[in-house]
Amino acid sequence: EVVMAQSPATLSASPGEGATLSCRASQSVGSKLAWYQQKFGQAPRLLIYGASTRATGIPARFSGSGSGTEFTLTISGLQSEDFAVYYCQQYNRWPLTFGGGTKVEIK
Amino acid sequence: DVHLVESGGGLVKPGESLRLSCVASGFTFISYSMNWVRQSPGRGLEWVSSISSGSDNLKYADSVKGRFTISRDNDKNSLFLQMDSLRAEDTAVYYCARRRSDITGWYEFDNWGQGTLVTVSS
Repeated sequence: EVVMAQSPATLSASPGEGATLSCRASQSVGSKLAWYQQKFGQAPRLLIYGASTRATGIPARFSGSGSGTEFTLTISGLQSEDFAVYYCQQYNRWPLTFGGGTKVEIK
Repeated sequence: DVHLVESGGGLVKPGESLRLSCVASGFTFISYSMNWVRQSPGRGLEWVSSISSGSDNLKYADSVKGRFTISRDNDKNSLFLQMDSLRAEDTAVYYCARRRSDITGWYEFDNWGQGTLVTVSS
């Protein structure tokens, strides 16, 4: 199976700062990568699909990039509601697999 | 608005069975592939099973293959997960999730329910 590794495990930042989250696949997944945000006690929310396409209603401060095995989620200007856990997911091969998550916390 | 509401979770002993349900509303259920994704307490996400819109294509994670069965009733806008021979490691919140598009090769989840907790413990 395709193993997804996310880094860092925890990212501390202040509101207004930018944040860069990484996701690495154990083999190429092309652009078949999605990013999700999960707040405590809530279900995940789709942010990005196709590595770089924002899902419906997602603010422009969220952007995704990358292809193959290296992907990045960038949050430009963190807002209070952005402090959460972020997961990447590949859908190039079955089984579908998720990364272990990056927690973005308030510094 | 899309709504997915899971039910059927609870506390069971190892080896027992449980049937999860997910009722969908706010969209044309028959047009979408549906999925179960679970999350163990304090852990990340794990895809469990997928079913195509017409129930002709079923997929399972190796960890549940042979023990779990996914099904759907398009007349009742409902998705199910029959879980047999449950193990302690099946303990998790189980989410019902909709596949965003039926375009071949694109398999991200654009809507999720709030989840139902399954606890397997003696």
